Amino acid sequence: SQTIHQWPATLVQPVGSPLSLECTVEGTSNPNLYWYRQAAGRGLQLLFYSVGIGQISSEVPQNLSASRPQDRQFILSSKKLLLSDSGFYLCAWSARVRGQEPQHFGDGTRLSIL
Amino acid sequence: DAKTTQPPSMDCAEGRAANLPCNHSTISGNEYVYWYRQIHSQGPQYIIHGLKNNETNEMASLIITEDRKSSTLILPHATLRDTAVYYCIVRGYQKVTFGTGTKLQVIP
Repeated sequence: SQTIHQWPATLVQPVGSPLSLECTVEGTSNPNLYWYRQAAGRGLQLLFYSVGIGQISSEVPQNLSASRPQDRQFILSSKKLLLSDSGFYLCAWSARVRGQEPQHFGDGTRLSIL
Repeated sequence: DAKTTQPPSMDCAEGRAANLPCNHSTISGNEYVYWYRQIHSQGPQYIIHGLKNNETNEMASLIITEDRKSSTLILPHATLRDTAVYYCIVRGYQKVTFGTGTKLQVIP
């Protein structure tokens, strides 16, 4: 069966420090991959999605970037974190097939910026 | 993606059916209705989705009105572990846009 892993689960970082969050998927090939952010008490906001290695689409302008160096690996990065980058970051995957397939989420990384 | 409207909170007695409504009056013909739930501090969990026919799986049933402007998620026998925030989403091609959902509290 397919599984998705995110790490770390919790992270506390100072303002201005770099960030790297990693997400990997197992048990499937050529998945679509997604990064979302959830602010406290609010819904999810799509940040990036990828349909293949090296292919990244950004949904909103921001201080973050994403990369997909391998088929089942998706990385969220920042060179210099801002206070507004605090939140709950979720990675998700879906099968790349014709028609609709549900997105499946990891357990997230709770990021606090001090 | 079409916008959805859900009540902010609901209570349900343990063992009874939980019926969670969702309005999506601006849904377009090729958009599916999805339901997810999120237990505190975890990632959203996929429950069920459908286009126009009613759907059932091991977790829940999804009833979509004939005009597709609203739907209801039914948890047939709610347990305490079903306490969560439930999100109704109308989904376009790639993006899943979550609103603030319905906080379901299952009461012993």
